[in-house]
Amino acid sequence: GQNIDQPTEMTATEGAIVQINCTYQTSGFNGLFWYQQHAGEAPTFLSYNVLDGLEEKGRFSSFLSRSKGYSYLLLKELQMKDSASYLCAVLDSNYQLIWGAGTKLIIKP
Amino acid sequence: GAVVSQHPSRVICKSGTSVKIECRSLDFQATTMFWYRQFPKQSLMLMATSNEGSKATYEQGVEKDKFLINHASLTLSTLTVTSAHPEDSSFYICSARVPSAGMEETQYFGPGTRLLVL
Repeated sequence: GQNIDQPTEMTATEGAIVQINCTYQTSGFNGLFWYQQHAGEAPTFLSYNVLDGLEEKGRFSSFLSRSKGYSYLLLKELQMKDSASYLCAVLDSNYQLIWGAGTKLIIKP
Repeated sequence: GAVVSQHPSRVICKSGTSVKIECRSLDFQATTMFWYRQFPKQSLMLMATSNEGSKATYEQGVEKDKFLINHASLTLSTLTVTSAHPEDSSFYICSARVPSAGMEETQYFGPGTRLLVL
């Protein structure tokens, strides 16, 4: 079967750095997405990785290792507004998005 | 970034009535739109893929006669929940792919519609 694993919840301190991991087992791979979802709102696109390596975009970076079936989202200089759920999703061989359950990130002052 | 709108943002209806939700791509044409449902504290569940000018593709377990999808134009898809029941109460979100070099598979989401069936 297809599976996306990410931690249910993480806590971090304002100003710090946090890394949210995602591992996947899917039938084929055509890219991995990270989305941010604030409570009661729809997801917003953060990043897309299809090749191995690190993609940096401001305070957020996303890393992918296809051989390990692994990705992480790195958030630097955490702000209170970063408190949200972070969803990992993989595009499989049929170009279907397989969604993880999301990681709820709690930022403390 | 691409803008996807949804209307209404919130709807409360009586059991047995039908509710129509509209999803529009505002600054681009979307040949494919997706309809998701999300229950509290759960991830997104794909309900169906809506293709302009053709029938929608429904995921397993989703009743196509209950959740009617129409994608009549390149900027509008509608989801109609027919004979809604309290268990249909959920957060319904649409998304669309934006054609752009190297990011063709990226989906952009509408703001969602919160449905409460009494």
